[in-house]
Amino acid sequence: ETGVTQTPRHLVMGMTNKKSLKCEQHLGHNAMYWYKQSAKKPLELMFVYNFKEQTENNSVPSRFSPECPNSSHLFLHLHTLQPEDSALYLCASSQGFGQGDSPLHFGNGTRLTVT
Amino acid sequence: AQTVTQSQPEMSVQEAETVTLSCTYDTSENNYYLFWYKQPPSRQMILVIRQEAYKQQNATENRFSVNFQKAAKSFSLKISDSQLGDTAMYFCAFNSGYALNFGKGTSLLVTP
Repeated sequence: ETGVTQTPRHLVMGMTNKKSLKCEQHLGHNAMYWYKQSAKKPLELMFVYNFKEQTENNSVPSRFSPECPNSSHLFLHLHTLQPEDSALYLCASSQGFGQGDSPLHFGNGTRLTVT
Repeated sequence: AQTVTQSQPEMSVQEAETVTLSCTYDTSENNYYLFWYKQPPSRQMILVIRQEAYKQQNATENRFSVNFQKAAKSFSLKISDSQLGDTAMYFCAFNSGYALNFGKGTSLLVTP
């Protein structure tokens, strides 16, 4: 079992759908992250939660809504997405936030396609 | 702004040979951390190696080593005795006490 688990692995949704991505970490970490990975672009940090509190929202459109009910679970709620939102969405966790010596542990990602 | 640049979109190397992936970064910070992550076709990003900026000694992890040139803001990754399983995207990343900033990645293909 990997330390960070993401579901679903693949998701196809229409522009009017509502769906959620789920992430769970089994590492006892305190910080969790959502990253967006698009082709030929650097990974884009979307949201950061530290001890369940959102510490960062990198100007992400409101059609993406994160939720962190506890330090082990992180959700990304999606609604009225655009085709350009199609990407690989990666969840990660780390022992601490803002600590450069605390490496990120990633899940396998959710490949999202918006039609 | 802190940026990470990987100037080689794609590289290939023959099995058992050595390859070096380049990375440069831009920062005004003095204390920070640098990382190389590997992303195989399974898509999971895996930490390969990390370097603390205040340490002059280059980090080494088995077949992976870095050449860290702080003044030049350069952080290259050397893979020795390349194996087929090293085929992956490699991302250089930078952290100065905030979340990681990543480069665009280098796609490495190891051929038999």
